[in-house]
Amino acid sequence: AQSVTQPDIHITVSEGASLELRCNYSYGATPYLFWYVQSPGQGLQLLLKYFSGDTLVQGIKGFEAEFKRSQSSFNLRKPSVHWSDAAEYFCAVGGNNDMRFGAGTRLTVKP
Amino acid sequence: DTEVTQTPKHLVMGMTNKKSLKCEQHMGHRAMYWYKQKAKKPPELMFVYSYEKLSINESVPSRFSPECPNSSLLNLHLHALQPEDSALYLCASSQGTSGGLNEQFFGPGTRLTVL
Repeated sequence: AQSVTQPDIHITVSEGASLELRCNYSYGATPYLFWYVQSPGQGLQLLLKYFSGDTLVQGIKGFEAEFKRSQSSFNLRKPSVHWSDAAEYFCAVGGNNDMRFGAGTRLTVKP
Repeated sequence: DTEVTQTPKHLVMGMTNKKSLKCEQHMGHRAMYWYKQKAKKPPELMFVYSYEKLSINESVPSRFSPECPNSSLLNLHLHALQPEDSALYLCASSQGTSGGLNEQFFGPGTRLTVL
């Protein structure tokens, strides 16, 4: 079965600084990869997804992610963080039967 | 309409109560999902319905009983719950039915507290 590791439980960045959230996956076949964001007490919103093709994918809210097969990684990046980006971020890998989520990374944005 | 709606938003129930959570989508999606999310944890899959038929039950206790009355609606019937069942219950839907190979759209969740 597939699995996902998000090494960073909590990250704090200053507003306007760049951001990179790490995600490593384990899956025997070509992975379907997702990044979701969750504000407190809310549902999950899809930021971006990778199925195939260009390994650099663009998402909503200025986020992008790069798929690196050699490193089994799918890291999320944003060049300039806004205070409204403070939330929980989940990386997920999809298999035939289900989607498995990482433990999440909580992002705090300092003024 | 690209929204998944869930009612109620909050629910407090005793261990002897029977209640239901409701989920609705009007995107024509063919798969619908129930997840349970404890605080500071990722969502955990409970049930998957494909074409209104239960396709995955992740060994969920029988005190949780899902129902899919039609392609747009998904219910989760609750009975004799335990305090440890308190969590955020998320509903999701997807166009395709191949589990994790499809983008899932999530509702805002129902915050359940069992006293």
